[in-house]
Amino acid sequence: KNEVEQSPQNLTAQEGEFITINCSYSVGISALHWLQQHPGGGIVSLFMLSSGKKKHGRLIATINIQEKHSSLHITASHPRDSAVYICAVRSINGNKLVFGAGTILRVKS
Amino acid sequence: KAGVTQTPRYLIKTRGQQVTLSCSPISGHRSVSWYQQTPGQGLQFLFEYFSETQRNKGNFPGRFSGRQFSNSRSEMNVSTLELGDSALYLCASSLEVQGQGYTFGSGTRLTVV
Repeated sequence: KNEVEQSPQNLTAQEGEFITINCSYSVGISALHWLQQHPGGGIVSLFMLSSGKKKHGRLIATINIQEKHSSLHITASHPRDSAVYICAVRSINGNKLVFGAGTILRVKS
Repeated sequence: KAGVTQTPRYLIKTRGQQVTLSCSPISGHRSVSWYQQTPGQGLQFLFEYFSETQRNKGNFPGRFSGRQFSNSRSEMNVSTLELGDSALYLCASSLEVQGQGYTFGSGTRLTVV
């Protein structure tokens, strides 16, 4: 079993829909990251969380440390949100990032 | 403020050769980490440097090595290249201050033929 599991693997939504991507992890962590990768490879760090909730524009990220679970929400989705969203956890022991397999999001207009 | 700069952007090498990739972090960032991304394995951690010291290393063979210079610039080297080393190699820098995230470079696309 992978240390970081993301769901769904693929997601297609209509413009304007509310989107949720989930991330579950099995190790102790010091922080969890949500990353966005567009075609061509560039990665943007969206959020770094160690507890609670963060919001940036239409993006909201939450984490539940007890349940070892995090969610990334996109409100009023837009075709430009189409990308791969990757969850990564920084292990509390190893001081390294472990990545989920990513969620491929396509938002249709 | 300049971002994380990786050079070269694209590289084609032959099996058995070696390659050196470079990463210049954001000014003031002292931590640089390296990652390999392939279609089959996704993103995997290679190693992380802070103040010229390797802090941690992922599960890669000894052919993969790296170093960090006093100006925080980092290089990674892969010797005796194999076809399976074809990948996008990404580096990221961070301040290593609580609450700070990573800034990624655009990556080096390495093709081994």
